[in-house]
Amino acid sequence: NAGVTQTPKFQVLKTGQSMTLQCAQDMNHEYMSWYRQDPGMGLRLIHYSVGAGITDQGEVPNGYNVSRSTTEDFPLRLLSAAPSQTSVYFCASSPGGAGYIQYFGAGTRLSVL
Amino acid sequence: GESVGLHLPTLSVQEGDNSIINCAYSNSASDYFIWYKQESGKGPQFIIDIRSNMDKRQGQRVTVLLNKTVKHLSLQIAATQPGDSAVYFCAENPPGNQFYFGTGTSLTVIP
Repeated sequence: NAGVTQTPKFQVLKTGQSMTLQCAQDMNHEYMSWYRQDPGMGLRLIHYSVGAGITDQGEVPNGYNVSRSTTEDFPLRLLSAAPSQTSVYFCASSPGGAGYIQYFGAGTRLSVL
Repeated sequence: GESVGLHLPTLSVQEGDNSIINCAYSNSASDYFIWYKQESGKGPQFIIDIRSNMDKRQGQRVTVLLNKTVKHLSLQIAATQPGDSAVYFCAENPPGNQFYFGTGTSLTVIP
C-alpha cells in the first residue's frame, strides 16, 4: 500500500540551484496538489492538478513550476532556489478536488542556503 | 485569501480525559471540512470530515461539530491516549478545488 510517495525526503540546495521534487501516487487519483508547511503558518497550497495535462495555481505559486503528464506523477520544480523556499513540502492526492479527502505523502524537507 | 484559525495553539490533557480542539473558518460558502492529525516528521493523516449540510459527525473516539452560524468547527477526542499526541489541523474547502488549512493545535497527552 504505497499511497503517495515523495522523493527525496531531505534536500539541501544552494541559492540559485534548481531541483525537482517528485511525487507519485498509485491510487489512480485524478487530483494532486503540492503544499508547503512553514512554522506557525500551516499548509499553504502551491499548485494543484485536476487531471493529466491540467494544472492550476494555489495560494503561493511564485518560484515553482509543475506539470502533469501522467495520472500518477506530479513533480514540483524549483527553477532557481531561494532561502525563502526553505520549508517542508507535502504532496497530496484525492479522487477529485472539491469535497474529497486528500491523502498526503511523508514530505520533503528542503533547506536552501 | 482564506484564513482558517485555531483558538489555541497548544493543548495539554491528562490521559483518559476528553480533548476539544477548536477551529474558526472564514468563508461562509465553505461546504466541506476536514480534520487532520500530524505526528512529528510525518505527513498529515485524515481523521474525520464533515459537509456543511451536517452539524455533527462521529467516528471512532472522535466527533466533529460544525456551527455554521459562527463559522466554527471543533474536534472532540474521547478518552485521549498518549498516541493522540500530535498537531491537529482543520481545513476548509470553499467552492472550487482549493483547500485552506489552519495553523494547527499541538495536543500533548500527559500520562
